[in-house]
Amino acid sequence: QSVLTQPTSASGTPGQRVTISCSGSRSNIGSNAVNWFQQLPGTAPKLLIHNTDQRPTGVPDRWSGSKSGTSASLAISGLQSEDEAAYYCATWDDSLNGVVFGGGTKVTVL
Amino acid sequence: ELQLVESGGRMKQPGGSLRLSCAASGFSVSNNHMSWVRQAPGRGLQWLAVKHRGGATKYADSVKGRFTIARDESTNTLYLQMNSLRAEDTAIYYCAREEPVAVTAGGAFDIWGLGTMVTVSS
Repeated sequence: QSVLTQPTSASGTPGQRVTISCSGSRSNIGSNAVNWFQQLPGTAPKLLIHNTDQRPTGVPDRWSGSKSGTSASLAISGLQSEDEAAYYCATWDDSLNGVVFGGGTKVTVL
Repeated sequence: ELQLVESGGRMKQPGGSLRLSCAASGFSVSNNHMSWVRQAPGRGLQWLAVKHRGGATKYADSVKGRFTIARDESTNTLYLQMNSLRAEDTAIYYCAREEPVAVTAGGAFDIWGLGTMVTVSS
């Protein structure tokens, strides 16, 4: 059971906007910045969003992050077939004194 | 090029020990917060441990007392000593760098290695 809760799956057609949620508590999302990762099959995770809403250099602006209270979201605009992957949220948990991940959301492009 | 390369993964029997290595190039492991993260087959990501740039360490409860994170400045290498291995430790083990502007560890891992597979089975 993951500390952060994500839907197991999400889907959309090419060009659509897809949103993935990440629900936590006051000790993690409520107090700290949220990060998002994309993991393509058979590869290492890649940082998509850090500090809740910041994109690392080279990440297209199709990706955006936000947070409200103890929940965070990742939005993918203009969905593309190459966006089929697993997406994970992560943050620091002040009670557990460590990094916690969501269980991951598998995005399918229909 | 900024790179991390893990090594040392292999099959071990329950109760055994193993040391994983993570060689860094293009940056210093001593000047960054460095973590180990694992992924069991078909499962999600699980953070294990962090070595802060200042030297402090923190561990997930699931590995506290069994695993030890360490670094060697002279070889620019991060290590994970794994003792009392269990079947549930079977996973791909990644080392990852916290993005440099982070004041403290927070899970903003901007560089990952390709991972090394550890299998614990009798």
